[in-house]
Amino acid sequence: DVKVTQSSRYLVKRTGEKVFLECVQDMDHENMFWYRQDPGLGLRLIYFSYDVKMKEKGDIPEGYSVSREKKERFSLILESASTNQTSMYLCASSFATVYEQYFGPGTRLTVT
Amino acid sequence: GESVGLHLPTLSVQEGDNSIINCAYSNSASDYFIWYKQESGKGPQFIIDIRSNMDKRQGQRVTVLLNKTVKHLSLQIAATQPGDSAVYFCAETETSYDKVIFGPGTSLSVIP
Repeated sequence: DVKVTQSSRYLVKRTGEKVFLECVQDMDHENMFWYRQDPGLGLRLIYFSYDVKMKEKGDIPEGYSVSREKKERFSLILESASTNQTSMYLCASSFATVYEQYFGPGTRLTVT
Repeated sequence: GESVGLHLPTLSVQEGDNSIINCAYSNSASDYFIWYKQESGKGPQFIIDIRSNMDKRQGQRVTVLLNKTVKHLSLQIAATQPGDSAVYFCAETETSYDKVIFGPGTSLSVIP
């Protein structure tokens, strides 16, 4: 079974802090994605990556950056956390296409 | 912009009854559609998909129907069980596109 793990299930940070969310997948997938999930808005794509050291902006990249130094790991960085970045963050990976994505359990981030 | 949406945010059904979850999409160029299930505390999980050259596809206890004329997608769950309680997302994409667009989700509650 594909396994996508995220470094934390719950995280509380202060405004202005730099925050790192880590995601690791164990199936040698090329594609990795970061989404945020907010009630009534569904999943919104922040960034995605098709290969090591490659990244593409999604629909809401402002305030975020990413890093993919190894194929299995995709990190989401909040350079200076703000309260409007309080959300559930979901990482996903897929093999050859974007269609069948496998999701991690999510990290619920609260910025105070 | 074009987006995928759902008709109802919540749905309650009696255990053993059939459930129908609806989804409307607006991008007529979308040619691939996916249903995801998200249980409490977990990431979304792929359920079933359908391509635009089909109007029906069946899985285990689930059926997806696609009506391209009215841009409508539905997920039918037969003999709904308590384990089916979750949030269900429809998603759309174009074959040549590199992103999947998710709807806001419908929360299904199964009444024992």
